Amino acid sequence: NAGVTQTPKFRILKIGQSMTLQCTQDMNHNYMYWYRQDPGMGLKLIYYSVGAGITDKGEVPNGYNVSRSTTEDFPLRLELAAPSQTSVYFCASSSAGQETQYFGPGTRLLVL
Amino acid sequence: QKEVEQNSGPLSVPEGAIASLNCTYSDRGSQSFFWYRQYSGKSPELIMSIYSNGDKEDGRFTAQLNKASQYVSLLIRDSQPSDSATYLCAVNPAGNQFYFGTGTSLTVIP
Repeated sequence: NAGVTQTPKFRILKIGQSMTLQCTQDMNHNYMYWYRQDPGMGLKLIYYSVGAGITDKGEVPNGYNVSRSTTEDFPLRLELAAPSQTSVYFCASSSAGQETQYFGPGTRLLVL
Repeated sequence: QKEVEQNSGPLSVPEGAIASLNCTYSDRGSQSFFWYRQYSGKSPELIMSIYSNGDKEDGRFTAQLNKASQYVSLLIRDSQPSDSATYLCAVNPAGNQFYFGTGTSLTVIP
C-alpha cells in the first residue's frame, strides 16, 4: 500500500513551458486535492475533486488545470509556466470531505 | 481576515517541557479541525483530528477545541527533540475545502 505518490520529485521549467504533475493514490479515496506551499507559508488549495469526472476550483486556481478520469489519478497541468508558480506542490486524498487528508511526498518546481 | 491564524513562532521549549500551540479560525460554521506536523522538506502528516468541543488525548498529544471562542490548540507533553518541526493547523468550514494556517515552528532544545 503506497498511499499517495507524486512524480516528478523535482523539476526545473523555463518561463512559458508547460508540464503535468502526476498524482496517484491506492486507498480508493474519492476526494483528491492539489495544494501549493510557498516558503514559510501554509498550504493553499489549487483544485480538488470529489470523484472521477468531478473537479472544482480552490483558492488559487489561476494558471492550472486538472482532470480526474479515474479514482486513482489526479494530474495537475501547468500551462505557460511563470516564476510565480515556483513552489512545492502537494497532492492529498481523503475518504470524505471532512476526513483526514493523506499527503504525497511533494513535487518541487522551479520556474526560471 | 485570514481563515486560519497561527503564531508563526519560532517556539522553543526545553526537552521534557510542555509545548503549547494555538490556532484561531474565522468561520463559525467550521466542523472539523486537524493538526499536522511537517518536518523540513517533507510532507505534512496528521497528528490529531478533533470534531467536538473539549479535549482529545493521544499519547503525548492533546488537542483542545473551543468553538465558542473559535480556537483550537495542541499541547505536546514531555517534548522531545524529534518533535522539532512546523505544526500546521487545518480547518474544514463544512464543505470540501480545508484552510491551513501558516504553521508554527517548534524547536525542542536537548
